[in-house]
Amino acid sequence: ETGVTQTPRHLVMGMTNKKSLKCEQHLGHNAMYWYKQSAKKPLELMFVYSLEERVENNSVPSRFSPECPNSSHLFLHLHTLQPEDSALYLCASSPARTMNTEAFFGQGTRLTVV
Amino acid sequence: DQQVKQNSPSLSVQEGRISILNCDYTNSMFDYFLWYKKYPAEGPTFLISISSIKDKNEDGRFTVFLNKSAKHLSLHIVPSQPGDSAVYFCAASRPNFGNEKLTFGTGTRLTIIP
Repeated sequence: ETGVTQTPRHLVMGMTNKKSLKCEQHLGHNAMYWYKQSAKKPLELMFVYSLEERVENNSVPSRFSPECPNSSHLFLHLHTLQPEDSALYLCASSPARTMNTEAFFGQGTRLTVV
Repeated sequence: DQQVKQNSPSLSVQEGRISILNCDYTNSMFDYFLWYKKYPAEGPTFLISISSIKDKNEDGRFTVFLNKSAKHLSLHIVPSQPGDSAVYFCAASRPNFGNEKLTFGTGTRLTIIP
C-alpha cells in the first residue's frame, strides 16, 4: 500500500463511451501526475498538477481530459478513445513537483478500448 | 528519441547470486537518477536513487553505481532473493525539474531462479 489509490483497477470501454479514472492520495503531497504505460514502452508522463493547477501537458490528445478538484484527488476523463489508447494508466504523487524525491504510484487502471 | 535506455528486456539470476541491471542515458543534463521496482498488478515503488555528485549509493542489498563519463548507471542486488523478481525501471530527472520531467526507461524484467 503506497498511499495512492486508483479506481477502477480494470476498465473496458467502447470507442464512443465516456468514462473517468479516479486517483486519491492522503499523503499530504502537493503534486500529482498521470502516466501511461504501454507494452514495451517507457512510462510516459501525461499530466502534472501542482497545488491543483495543471503545470504540464505533454502533448496529450484532447480525448484525455484531466481534472484536479483538490490536492488529494485527480481524475482522468476519457472520451472517444482509440484502441491504441489501451494501456496501464498510473497515477502518482510527490511532495513537490520539482524536488528530487521519490514519487508514490497507485496500482494503476488497466484500460482496454474495444 | 529515448533518452533513458535499458537495453536488456529481461535477466535471469540464480538465487543468492548478484543481479546487475544496467541503464544508459543520453542527456548530460540529467542530475538525479532513480530505480523503481514493479510487481505485476501493482504500481512502481521506489527502490533507490543517486545524485550526480555521487558515484555510489548503497541501501542494504541494493547498490546503485553512476558513471557520468559513460552516462551509465547500474543497480546491483546482492544476494538476490526470489522476492526480487519484478520489472525494474531506471528513471532520470533534470536540475530544478524533479518529478515534473522524469524520464523512464523501458524496464528490465528480473527473474530470480530458486
